[in-house]
Amino acid sequence: GEDVEQSLFLSVREGDSSVINCTYTDSSSTYLYWYKQEPGAGLQLLTYIFSNMDMKQDQRLTVLLNKKDKHLSLRIADTQTGDSAIYFCAESKEGSQGNLIFGKGTKLSVKP
Amino acid sequence: DAGVIQSPRHEVTEMGQEVTLRCKPISGHNSLFWYRQTMMRGLELLIYFNNNVPIDDSGMPEDRFSAKMPNASFSTLKIQPSEPRDSAVYFCASSFNPADTEAFFGQGTRLTVV
Repeated sequence: GEDVEQSLFLSVREGDSSVINCTYTDSSSTYLYWYKQEPGAGLQLLTYIFSNMDMKQDQRLTVLLNKKDKHLSLRIADTQTGDSAIYFCAESKEGSQGNLIFGKGTKLSVKP
Repeated sequence: DAGVIQSPRHEVTEMGQEVTLRCKPISGHNSLFWYRQTMMRGLELLIYFNNNVPIDDSGMPEDRFSAKMPNASFSTLKIQPSEPRDSAVYFCASSFNPADTEAFFGQGTRLTVV
């Protein structure tokens, strides 16, 4: 079956790095995504990685993909209080990138 | 473009009433998705359309739920009759086509059925 798992909470201090981990089950997923949801808002795409890549860096964000272990991580360098939000890992069903299987989300709290 | 627009933002209704949620996708986007978010189940895809045609409605929980897309700029999700367990945040998202790497989400409609 399809399932995306991630830890529910992460707390870090401002300036530290945050690492949010995710495991997925569908090896046919073409893309894997990280979305951010701030309170009362919709989801915002942060970054995505193509399944034949193992790393992608975008400013403070680094995505690592271990396809063998079906493990995806998001590292946020120099975490700021504005990064406090819920982060969702998602995998796409083949052929339809908007047809996403989401994890339950990791709530990131950044302490000053 | 103003992004994906959903209305209403909040809806409170009594059990048994009909509820209609509305979505205007981004102009030019051909794919539209309805998601439901609850604490227990997280985000789940209910149905998606491509070029106004429903492609996959396997996520629609039961016959009380129906969705339509009469034209490229408008979609509705209807629940009739509504039940307390339907209380959730309902998100609409759109993308240029099903293979597009980014789906843009609306702000969501928070539905409370009492």
